[in-house]
Amino acid sequence: DQQVKQNSPSLSVQEGRISILNCDYTNSMFDYFLWYKKYPAEGPTFLISISSIKDKNEDGRFTVFLNKSAKHLSLHIVPSQPGDSAVYFCAASPNSGNTPLVFGKGTRLSVIA
Amino acid sequence: NAGVTQTPKFRILKIGQSMTLQCAQDMNHNYMYWYRQDPGMGLKLIYYSVGAGITDKGEVPNGYNVSRSTTEDFPLRLELAAPSQTSVYFCASSYPSQVNAGIDTQYFGPGTRLTVL
Repeated sequence: DQQVKQNSPSLSVQEGRISILNCDYTNSMFDYFLWYKKYPAEGPTFLISISSIKDKNEDGRFTVFLNKSAKHLSLHIVPSQPGDSAVYFCAASPNSGNTPLVFGKGTRLSVIA
Repeated sequence: NAGVTQTPKFRILKIGQSMTLQCAQDMNHNYMYWYRQDPGMGLKLIYYSVGAGITDKGEVPNGYNVSRSTTEDFPLRLELAAPSQTSVYFCASSYPSQVNAGIDTQYFGPGTRLTVL
């Protein structure tokens, strides 16, 4: 039973356009959400996070939106760059994140020049 | 800081062999984790530790053991390797935030790719 779902295994976007990666969750106890980015043969690296007291968090080209009533969050990357091509994992936690995270299966983003 | 380091990078085992995957961090993090990632899947938690001498099972602990004798090291032991343990293993660490100080992030090592034949 997947508690964190990323229903799109892959996404292709033209360079300069917006990339939107989606994530749904089922556990209403989740209060903290994180996005990780993973390049081949490397470990995941933290990208951006949001707590449930907010509905938006922005960091440069990356913005995460949280719709708690729909149990849905999304990561927007604008403008997309070829270096953004990676697998993006959504993760959730019931507290500040120092308990184990629950990860989605990931979405592979390809940004085409 | 080296961050989180893992050795070896790659390993091939025969069924029934044993091995230890090493993980070390130099960030003085209390919390450490072991995840495995199977092809096309997300990361699944095997074991975690909230400090030296304390370990807890995660979602998929069967076939694995851990110990945490120091803050820095968190080795993962496979006693009787099985083909189902073929995976990429990631170690991670984090430091608990002060109350309301924000969201902890977990820092990951580069992974160990294990194949059991």
